[in-house]
Amino acid sequence: DSGVTQTPKHLITATGQRVTLRCSPRSGDLSVYWYQQSLDQGLQFLIQYYNGEERAKGNILERFSAQQFPDLHSELNLSSLELGDSALYFCASSVDGRAFNEQFFGPGTRLTVL
Amino acid sequence: AQKVTQAQTEISVVEKEDVTLDCVYETRDTTYYLFWYKQPPSGELVFLIRRNSFDEQNEISGRYSWNFQKSTSSFNFTITASQVVDSAVYFCALSKPTGANSKLTFGKGITLSVRP
Repeated sequence: DSGVTQTPKHLITATGQRVTLRCSPRSGDLSVYWYQQSLDQGLQFLIQYYNGEERAKGNILERFSAQQFPDLHSELNLSSLELGDSALYFCASSVDGRAFNEQFFGPGTRLTVL
Repeated sequence: AQKVTQAQTEISVVEKEDVTLDCVYETRDTTYYLFWYKQPPSGELVFLIRRNSFDEQNEISGRYSWNFQKSTSSFNFTITASQVVDSAVYFCALSKPTGANSKLTFGKGITLSVRP
């Protein structure tokens, strides 16, 4: 158990809908990352937050947004969902967001868009 | 731009065989960090090792060992005397230091199957 929690574990929804994925980092970790894992794209970095501020952005679609709250939990919002958004979404956390610190991953949220 | 290549997509071995998983990376940075993660069938990503670009010492942890060679931009992972529990997808990843910003660039992963 990495100490990172993600809810829900599974999510099934329809095209055009909006969903919110939630992540709680390990106790004491200030930085949160979101990754998407799909069969065709592999593991792709989406976005990083550090102590409530956005720090780095990757291949995140405009339909997707995220934030980190004062209690350090984070939410990833996915809207106008398309079939291709079906994937496993991971949240990870690290102590301070610096590159040499390992990232600890949550169990993931499996999103299925029908 | 950073890139990680794991040319092997699937490897199948019989229990107790040794197996090496290859990882080749590309980066223009002189300082960077390399990682290996394991993704068992249950799906979570488990951190295995971190190596910084200035430390080319090989590392051994039980049945696992890592060979980092800057000259060939490779960071290979060897499992000695493989076991069925080693069956998983293994990812190599690269990170570069940019202040408090960081992201992992992952390879495509290698699916390792260890048969009894």
